[in-house]
Amino acid sequence: EDQVTQSPEALRLQEGESSSLNCSYTVSGLRGLFWYRQDPGKGPEFLFTLYSAGEEKEKERLKATLTKKESFLHITAPKPEDSATYLCALYSGGYQKVTFGTGTKLQVIP
Amino acid sequence: GAGVSQTPSNKVTEKGKYVELRCDPISGHTALYWYRQSLGQGPEFLIYFQGTGAADDSGLPNDRFFAVRPEGSVSTLKIQRTERGDSAVYLCASSKGLADTQYFGPGTRLTVL
Repeated sequence: EDQVTQSPEALRLQEGESSSLNCSYTVSGLRGLFWYRQDPGKGPEFLFTLYSAGEEKEKERLKATLTKKESFLHITAPKPEDSATYLCALYSGGYQKVTFGTGTKLQVIP
Repeated sequence: GAGVSQTPSNKVTEKGKYVELRCDPISGHTALYWYRQSLGQGPEFLIYFQGTGAADDSGLPNDRFFAVRPEGSVSTLKIQRTERGDSAVYLCASSKGLADTQYFGPGTRLTVL
């Protein structure tokens, strides 16, 4: 069965303190791995799609990377407005549904 | 352009009642998905439409839940004989096609008293 595991469950950073969020996965035929940001009371907001090992994508202070077993979301010099829950999700080969992890709740303190 | 919209934003109902939740996808998106999200959890897949047909409804928890998309655009998630355990945020997402990036609506928070 396809699985997505995110760690840590929660992360508290000082403003400017860089860190990484982890998404480990097991899947039969990866067709795309997604990162979303979710603010309280809102739907997930799309950040990145990664398709193959070695691929990297960047957006402002965020950088997503992918290996054959895991993905990392690196946050460089975070600001308080980066506080949110970050969700990892993937399509699995042969299926059209997406499996989500439980998310990492990030809090950036001024 | 407009994103995915969902109505109502909040719905409070009594146990045993029937509810309908509506989703308007992004114009031109052929694929539409419904998810359910409980507090502290990631979204959980319910059903997926490609066009008008339900391509995969394996996530629907039981036969009290069903969804339609009669004209290949707007979709309605219908829940009969609601139970307190149905309380959650129901999210809708759409994508251009199969295996493309999904864009989510703001969700409908359903509370069953």
